[in-house]
Order: sequence, then structure tokens, then C-alpha cells
Amino acid sequence: AQSVTQLDSQVPVFEEAPVELRCNYSSSVSVYLFWYVQYPNQGLQLLLKYLSGSTLVKGINGFEAEFNKSQTSFHLRKPSVHISDTAEYFCAVSDRGADGLTFGKGTHLIIQP
Amino acid sequence: DAGITQSPRHKVTETGTPVTLRCHQTENHRYMYWYRQDPGHGLRLIHYSYGVKDTDKGEVSDGYSVSRSKTEDFLLTLESATSSQTSVYFCAISERQSMGYNEQFFGPGTRLTVL
Repeated sequence: AQSVTQLDSQVPVFEEAPVELRCNYSSSVSVYLFWYVQYPNQGLQLLLKYLSGSTLVKGINGFEAEFNKSQTSFHLRKPSVHISDTAEYFCAVSDRGADGLTFGKGTHLIIQP
Repeated sequence: DAGITQSPRHKVTETGTPVTLRCHQTENHRYMYWYRQDPGHGLRLIHYSYGVKDTDKGEVSDGYSVSRSKTEDFLLTLESATSSQTSVYFCAISERQSMGYNEQFFGPGTRLTVL
């Protein structure tokens, strides 16, 4: 069985400041890792994914994430946030060959002017 | 954007009534999924399909059934709705990639309220 823990339910940050959203996972096998973003009243959009290879993954809208196998983490970062980044962010994991995703509970990123 | 539509987008119903939600895709993807999203729980998998007439249960399947008679349509049915099924329901589609993973694309969601 696999699980995902997003340690912060809410993260307030000032505009143009850097941000890190934390994600830890547990799985007995190799996994694929994803970050999705959900803007208010919308569906989920893929930000980035880790499949293999380089542990630093770059995504859309200036976001990046680093896969750390020893710490079983996949934290999301952005060096400078904007008001438009206000959204819910979900970390998800998939066992290789599995058919569904296991999601974390989400982190609400609140950008303060 | 992936061609996924969900209908209805909003529905209010009463306890004990049957409800069917529809997911329609134009991408010809093999896999389709139903998730529910609740505050403090993230998204949880209800059922999924890996082909026409091929379905399987997810983490929270009790009280739900699904059907897939065509590649493009995946129906989620609440046989007798309960207030605990008030939620936002998302459909997703995917196609297994060469590396063995499924990148899922999500529909806009259906907000269901059971009174």
C-alpha cells in the first residue's frame, strides 16, 4: 500500500517571496510522483511529474520539485510567487503499473499582497 | 486541454434517490476513473475502468456502481444517495505510457449535494 502526506494544509506567503510545499510518500516499490494544481472551481491540472532520471524536475508556471529517495520526499518549490498562484496543490503517487493515483490531502497556497 | 466533459456540473438531490453522473471523453483513452474530493481528504478513487465493460473498485467504492459500455463514456451511479455522498466528483482519463505509468487528465468536476 502507498500513502502520501502533505504536511501543511495551508501555506501563507507574501507575493514575490519563495515557497516550498512539502510532500512525503510511503511505498514498498518504486513510484512515479506528481504535483497537481487546482484553481478555484476548476479541475486538476498537472504541474510536473517525476518518472526517473534527474531528481530535479521542472514544471509549468515556474514550479520545480526535487525527488529525494532516501527521505521519501517530493517537495514543490517556486522562487517567487504571484497572486495567480493562489490555489490548492496536490501531491500524488502511483506504483509502477498501478492504475490509480493516491493523493495527499492538499495544501492551500495563499498569496498575500 | 484533454477533451473531458462531465454532466451534470451541479446537482441537488434528496436522500434515497438514485443519481447518475456521466463522464464523456473524446481522446479515445483506455483508462477512466472516478474520484471524489472532500475537504481534508484530498481526492479518493471510487472506481476505475481499464476498457469497455472492464471495471474495478477503488478505495471508497461502497454505495457506488459504474458502467462503461462505450470507450468514450463512464457512468457513476449512486443507487440510493446519502448525505455522506455530498461531494465534488471528478472524472479522469489516461493512457498507459511506454514507461508503464498513467498520466491522468481531469474533467471539470460535478458538485453533488444530497439533502
